[in-house]
Amino acid sequence: AQKVTQAQTEISVVEKEDVTLDCVYETRDTTYYLFWYKQPPSGELVFLIRRNSFDEQNEISGRYSWNFQKSTSSFNFTITASQVVDSAVYFCALSEYEETGGGNKLTFGTGTQLKVEL
Amino acid sequence: KAGVTQTPRYLIKTRGQQVTLSCSPISGHRSVSWYQQTPGQGLQFLFEYFSETQRNKGNFPGRFSGRQFSNSRSEMNVSTLELGDSALYLCASSPWPGNTGELFFGEGSRLTVL
Repeated sequence: AQKVTQAQTEISVVEKEDVTLDCVYETRDTTYYLFWYKQPPSGELVFLIRRNSFDEQNEISGRYSWNFQKSTSSFNFTITASQVVDSAVYFCALSEYEETGGGNKLTFGTGTQLKVEL
Repeated sequence: KAGVTQTPRYLIKTRGQQVTLSCSPISGHRSVSWYQQTPGQGLQFLFEYFSETQRNKGNFPGRFSGRQFSNSRSEMNVSTLELGDSALYLCASSPWPGNTGELFFGEGSRLTVL
């Protein structure tokens, strides 16, 4: 069975601080996909990134960066120079390979509430 | 391009009633997935539809059902409502099933069961 753990329930930072959101996953599959989604107060989940299990390259997109380490089953998300608009709940998620029934069936972590204050 | 539209946004029902929620995917998207979000259980996958066929189903009782129409719009139904069914029900669309990665979510239908 798959499992995604986000141990940090809530993080509060002051604007311009860097913050890292942790994500640890469990799966018996060798092929899988990892995701990060953002949920602002309006409710809809917004896709941020997808990585497949064969691609361990770190990725940077503006102030966002992701660190994927298969050796520790972690897929951490860092926001550099945080802003008030980054305040939201962030979810890490995992899906199996399509051929084994994954597809768009995502297993989500419990989310990390990020509060960025002035 | 219009996003995923879910109706109604808010609704209140009593135990034992049934409810139908609707989801209109982004134009051209043919896969629709449903998720339930509660404070206790978090986000849980309900089911996924593609070309009017259910492709995948989560671990929910048979009271939860869904369908997809030929225009890709989807509905989900919960019968014999229980207090624990109170939740935010999120619909997500994507161009096709499989690991496309990016799911486009609606703002959800918030169901309260009294």
